[in-house]
Amino acid sequence: DVKVTQSSRYLVKRTGEKVFLECVQDMDHENMFWYRQDPGLGLRLIYFSYDVKMKEKGDIPEGYSVSREKKERFSLILESASTNQTSMYLCASGSRGRGANVLTFGAGSRLTVL
Amino acid sequence: GESVGLHLPTLSVQEGDNSIINCAYSNSASDYFIWYKQESGKGPQFIIDIRSNMDKRQGQRVTVLLNKTVKHLSLQIAATQPGDSAVYFCADHGSSNTGKLIFGQGTTLQVKP
Repeated sequence: DVKVTQSSRYLVKRTGEKVFLECVQDMDHENMFWYRQDPGLGLRLIYFSYDVKMKEKGDIPEGYSVSREKKERFSLILESASTNQTSMYLCASGSRGRGANVLTFGAGSRLTVL
Repeated sequence: GESVGLHLPTLSVQEGDNSIINCAYSNSASDYFIWYKQESGKGPQFIIDIRSNMDKRQGQRVTVLLNKTVKHLSLQIAATQPGDSAVYFCADHGSSNTGKLIFGQGTTLQVKP
């Protein structure tokens, strides 16, 4: 019954390393999102995509990039990880259409940057 | 910018009591709201939603109330159970047409046996 899968639940990386977080959904959703979750700050949108090869910046895109080569897959890339990117990263997907977009979330990827 | 805020970061209730979690939003043009529940080690899961043409919507043991005049919504959980212990988020569709949600900071509900 798994619908949004994040490939890594826990990662530990060093400062300056390149990090890939992968997300796959099997619901044929058009929209996909990457959020980061930090205590006291809730969920903040990093990037989202509403179609293959399309991407839009969210509220905190600095230090991140994304890739959407296939409809079911949305990757978050940290080109050079820094300690302030230590966080829980949540991927979500949703169908197209305002008001119909109840997001389905993955279980999250907890990244620690040393 | 648009924002969504919760009134209390933590709420502690006795098992069997009713719980009320509050949320305020800033965008008067917002017309769709969702409540999510996040259990430890899991991603947020949909609980209930409400559109702005409604004041109240009921689910199984949960009720969402929307007051557009003061831009406030609440989630009521009846007969709270230990399995209700989680972080609860309200989310707002905002005024965008891209399907993205604006989330509040979350309220941690602790259920005492």
